[in-house]
Amino acid sequence: NAGVTQTPKFQVLKTGQSMTLQCAQDMNHEYMSWYRQDPGMGLRLIHYSVGAGITDQGEVPNGYNVSRSTTEDFPLRLLSAAPSQTSVYFCASSYRASGSGDTGELFFGEGSRLTVL
Amino acid sequence: GENVEQHPSTLSVQEGDSAVIKCTYSDSASNYFPWYKQELGKGPQLIIDIRSNVGEKKDQRIAVTLNKTAKHFSLHITETQPEDSAVYFCAANLFMDSSYKLIFGSGTRLLVRP
Repeated sequence: NAGVTQTPKFQVLKTGQSMTLQCAQDMNHEYMSWYRQDPGMGLRLIHYSVGAGITDQGEVPNGYNVSRSTTEDFPLRLLSAAPSQTSVYFCASSYRASGSGDTGELFFGEGSRLTVL
Repeated sequence: GENVEQHPSTLSVQEGDSAVIKCTYSDSASNYFPWYKQELGKGPQLIIDIRSNVGEKKDQRIAVTLNKTAKHFSLHITETQPEDSAVYFCAANLFMDSSYKLIFGSGTRLLVRP
């Protein structure tokens, strides 16, 4: 099993450009999520999904869109990139999709480093 | 608002000493508290978690304690080794904007000096 795969690993954008960060998992996990990591601010939840066709907002959803058309894939879209979106983005998944927020063990990808100029 | 606070932000200990990292949370209904370790250039990995039906959990040199009344939980690493050097994150499930979400603290950079 490959686990959680994120692409691309590195990306440089200009302000106003759009792009999609890809995330795929091969563990048949119901729960998938996106976090961004900034120095001194830990991991902040952007969006999450408890199953195909179901998505919800996290702590910092503005400027990002997601969709979950299959169990395996959970892409994160930036419609009009801004310098404030410069960050390292992590996708994570778990088998447990309870409504209590008890996700069980999250399996993280290796991250995607995005720079917006 | 609902959040998870983590202290200290950096911690330096001598090899063999113990390290303690503390977190507080705001939602009295929270019942799941995991700890993650992130090594340089990698994604975080779960090292231990605790649910609110227990007050302490151990796994070899790592232990987590939970005080639900005070709404705080702590990570204890004994007999630290250089390979314990990493960034550690606590997390808790908080009720925000009409649903529960897993929210992380701001992280602690642990350095174990040989």
